[in-house]
Amino acid sequence: NAGVTQTPKFQVLKTGQSMTLQCAQDMNHNSMYWYRQDPGMGLRLIYYSASEGTTDKGEVPNGYNVSRLNKREFSLRLESAAPSQTSVYFCASSAKDSAHSGNTIYFGEGSWLTVV
Amino acid sequence: GDSVTQMEGPVTLSEEAFLTINCTYTATGYPSLFWYVQYPGEGLQLLLKATKADDKGSNKGFEATYRKETTSFHLEKGSVQVSDSAVYFCALTPYSGAGSYQLTFGKGTKLSVIP
Repeated sequence: NAGVTQTPKFQVLKTGQSMTLQCAQDMNHNSMYWYRQDPGMGLRLIYYSASEGTTDKGEVPNGYNVSRLNKREFSLRLESAAPSQTSVYFCASSAKDSAHSGNTIYFGEGSWLTVV
Repeated sequence: GDSVTQMEGPVTLSEEAFLTINCTYTATGYPSLFWYVQYPGEGLQLLLKATKADDKGSNKGFEATYRKETTSFHLEKGSVQVSDSAVYFCALTPYSGAGSYQLTFGKGTKLSVIP
């Protein structure tokens, strides 16, 4: 009953360091997402992958890259971390089985990232 | 573009009080509407959803009705409990087409229920 699993849960980085957040889902979902959550801003979409082999920019993609490694896994990479990237990051997934938009999106438990 | 506006928090209520969290949206066509809840230290969980006008979503004593005429999806609960303390997010997905599976979130409303 794992759902969406993301690692690490907590990370402290120095400015300029790089790191990768890992995400995996076991629900056979086609679509996966990375969001960031900041106080007073709600959740904002960084990148998404509509299906295996495709990735697209969301609302706030600058400073990030993603890889859809296979249907299960979708990683988020910070190449050169900046203090502005201090945030809580959520991976999510959804089944996209029709054009109707009622698909539920399932979230991981979050990764708390601090850049000093 | 699409947007969601929900009431500013924080909201503090006594146990067994009535809860309303207002949510209005701007979108073309007929979006699907959602309420997500985030308990402290956890990820977001779907609370309820409605996919067409006049639909009522309900779960765990919470309800929200999709009102197309007022572009609203207000969350209500008749009697809150301490365990309902969390941050509540209103969200929508577009009707169809590219990006129809992407959520647009409101900024969240923090609810604190005191005994």
